[in-house]
Amino acid sequence: SQQGEEDPQALSIQEGENATMNCSYKTSINNLQWYRQNSGRGLVHLILIRSNEREKHSGRLRVTLDTSKKSSSLLITASRAADTASYFCATASQTGANSKLTFGKGITLSVRP
Amino acid sequence: DVKVTQSSRYLVKRTGEKVFLECVQDMDHENMFWYRQDPGLGLRLIYFSYDVKMKEKGDIPEGYSVSREKKERFSLILESASTNQTSMYLCASSASSPPYEQYFGPGTRLTVT
Repeated sequence: SQQGEEDPQALSIQEGENATMNCSYKTSINNLQWYRQNSGRGLVHLILIRSNEREKHSGRLRVTLDTSKKSSSLLITASRAADTASYFCATASQTGANSKLTFGKGITLSVRP
Repeated sequence: DVKVTQSSRYLVKRTGEKVFLECVQDMDHENMFWYRQDPGLGLRLIYFSYDVKMKEKGDIPEGYSVSREKKERFSLILESASTNQTSMYLCASSASSPPYEQYFGPGTRLTVT
């Protein structure tokens, strides 16, 4: 029952360019989170945005949330080769005591040196 | 630094064997999760536990069981391994209150031959 759907599935850019990744979801959320996964490793939490927030920044990361459209975007500015990884959005449900996250299938980002 | 560790990075087992994957977290988290990750399918939740000796089925529990005898340890058991259980297995933990940020282990790449 995956809720988050990322777009595009794969993205290839030149070092120094900005990378924009999108996520759509279906139900009401408490928050939306973005994770990064380097090849063959576990996921690492990047940034979280709550349902009452519209934009957050963390270093070169900027995340936006549009609850009316049920969508979020992650922007990585001035990309580096080391940003090459898979990126996942995950949603935390608003209802009940459900503390699970629902992950999307991920976006593969390749940053060419 | 928060830490989730998994007992093995790589594991090769034969069809029909009983397989134990162990996960330990040092953050005193109430929630622990087991996912499997396959190309094109993203992360799929197998089981999760919200307290010692408590467990709930995730999206794909068939062929798996879990054990949580201590708060810091969550084990995934493949009762009789099959080739279609060849996958990357990821363990995660989180607090039981929002925002439910999850911390992941490095993953176990299991091959069943």
